[in-house]
Amino acid sequence: DVKVTQSSRYLVKRTGEKVFLECVQDMDHENMFWYRQDPGLGLRLIYFSYDVKMKEKGDIPEGYSVSREKKERFSLILESASTNQTSMYLCASSVTGGTNYGYTFGSGTRLTVV
Amino acid sequence: AQSVAQPEDQVNVAEGNPLTVKCTYSVSGNPYLFWYVQYPNRGLQFLLKYITGDNLVKGSYGFEAEFNKSQTSFHLKKPSALVSDSALYFCAVRAAGYQKVTFGIGTKLQVIP
Repeated sequence: DVKVTQSSRYLVKRTGEKVFLECVQDMDHENMFWYRQDPGLGLRLIYFSYDVKMKEKGDIPEGYSVSREKKERFSLILESASTNQTSMYLCASSVTGGTNYGYTFGSGTRLTVV
Repeated sequence: AQSVAQPEDQVNVAEGNPLTVKCTYSVSGNPYLFWYVQYPNRGLQFLLKYITGDNLVKGSYGFEAEFNKSQTSFHLKKPSALVSDSALYFCAVRAAGYQKVTFGIGTKLQVIP
């Protein structure tokens, strides 16, 4: 069964900490995405990547960075966590071309910054 | 730019009744349209997609959606709702040739026993 795996389901971090959220996919997908989900705001794109070592800013990149050193892994980094980054973070991947035009999502990481 | 509107924050329906969750979109060029479902504290699960062809698309769990180009709509439907259908539903759009998908804000479906 194909899968997108996010390393943590729940995280609690302190303000100012550097936080790493990891995402791994086993489908050989070229594209990977990080979203945050907040009530009433839906899913907002933070960063995405079309290829290894490639990244592009989404709609709300401020306060975040990403790393994609290998095709299967896409990491989201909160350089200095703040309370307004408390949210549900969702990783997704997709293939370029072919017949599957949608995303496959991970189960999400609920991050609380205190 | 592409966008999705889900005009209802919440839809309530009695078990056994038909349900509709509304979605309209805006995109340049041909749209690829999707519905996803999210259960509490879980990621999003794919339900169905429209890429081309028949305007009525059938998906998982008995759901279907109708693509209406003139009304730029892609409403999600099911003939007979189950309590287990209660969840958060997201409509999404992607322009052909473009990798980024834009999601609506979600509609909470509550099926009442």
